[in-house]
Amino acid sequence: QSALTQPASVSGSPGQSITISCTGTSSDVGGYNYVSWYQQHPGKVPKLIINDVTNRPSGVSTRFSGSKSGNTASLTISGLQAEDEADYYCSSYTSTSTYVFGPGTKVTVL
Amino acid sequence: EVQLVQSGAEVKKPGESLKISCKGSGYSFSSYWIGWVRQMPGKGLELMGIIYPGDSDTRYSPSFQGQVTISGDKSISTAYLQWSSLKASDTAMYYCVRPGGGYFQHWGQGTLVTVSS
Repeated sequence: QSALTQPASVSGSPGQSITISCTGTSSDVGGYNYVSWYQQHPGKVPKLIINDVTNRPSGVSTRFSGSKSGNTASLTISGLQAEDEADYYCSSYTSTSTYVFGPGTKVTVL
Repeated sequence: EVQLVQSGAEVKKPGESLKISCKGSGYSFSSYWIGWVRQMPGKGLELMGIIYPGDSDTRYSPSFQGQVTISGDKSISTAYLQWSSLKASDTAMYYCVRPGGGYFQHWGQGTLVTVSS
């Protein structure tokens, strides 16, 4: 059982915006600006798309953005495209000096 | 360029032992934590633990403490994940990862472990 919670699934039509939440506690998400997000297509290695809550690594589409309020972080995908259909995982650094992943959210493009 | 190259797929029987590896290159292996992530079939990512090769400081996630052993050999820039007695439930893809600050920028290609009688 993950220490972080995410919705199991989120869907949207092409061009729409969707938001995925990631809720933790003050010992992880709320306590550090070390929330990251990963995109995983079936059979592929996870790919970092957001680090340090809001930072987008080089080469990642500007349609991906991150934010945080209290113990909840969020990933927003703007202008949803078919290629965005994938699983998305959040992760946070924790007070035990390690890391934890959320259970993942399946994004479906309708 | 940072690279993490993992050993190949394994097929084992229940009760057998196994050690898989992850070789780092393109950076100072001793100076960065390296970890192992499990992904069971159709399931999510789970961090098993991390090790600092410089001094072998190792931290296990609670679910994996006592179930596996994480080790490293800084002389050959390689980290290991080891089981003494495999179970069918250990069937999974295992990724090595290199934390960079508070995130995992670098991932190995994955090692598929299948445990079946």
